[in-house]
Amino acid sequence: GQQVMQIPQYQHVQEGEDFTTYCNSSTTLSNIQWYKQRPGGHPVFLIQLVKSGEVKKQKRLTFQFGEAKKNSSLHITATQTTDVGTYFCAGRGRDDKIIFGKGTRLHILP
Amino acid sequence: EAGVAQSPRYKIIEKRQSVAFWCNPISGHATLYWYQQILGQGPKLLIQFQNNGVVDDSQLPKDRFSAERLKGVDSTLKIQPAKLEDSAVYLCASSQDAWTSPQETQYFGPGTRLLVL
Repeated sequence: GQQVMQIPQYQHVQEGEDFTTYCNSSTTLSNIQWYKQRPGGHPVFLIQLVKSGEVKKQKRLTFQFGEAKKNSSLHITATQTTDVGTYFCAGRGRDDKIIFGKGTRLHILP
Repeated sequence: EAGVAQSPRYKIIEKRQSVAFWCNPISGHATLYWYQQILGQGPKLLIQFQNNGVVDDSQLPKDRFSAERLKGVDSTLKIQPAKLEDSAVYLCASSQDAWTSPQETQYFGPGTRLLVL
């Protein structure tokens, strides 16, 4: 069945450094969404990517969807303490099933 | 705009007991999702409703889990009987319309934290 792998599982960065998390699907996706979950909180929608090769930016966050629509990345420039949390990708496969990755937990060192 | 409401927020039960969770989605949202999130993992979709019809329940353990959305608004998720491995956070989410909206933004509720002893 469809699988969505997310790496790394954990990332510790110094405040001000950049951070990237990668999402890889075993099958071609219709779209991919990214969510952020703060410790003790619930997932909050960040963005949706639909088109092959799509790149979207939200302030310091840059999201990319691969040409083959099987992988995606989230890059944060100059991390801040407010970026702490777990970042999940969620892919919708051709069969319309939604699969979440296991997430990348970002910890910021002051 | 009111968000997705869930209750209870916390529940502790013993194995083999039954438990029910309730979700009230954002007004006007046609699509409702129930997820199970085990500690340290991503949300796992249990069931997806479009209005009061089931779209996807392929990952719902139907021998013990059931869910309904009778009037196409509120939904309940039940576990009977509960097992130790059911300990998790149960998240409800809603979106405007998974089929016609260009943006299938899912809005999550605060979740119900279940502990099975």
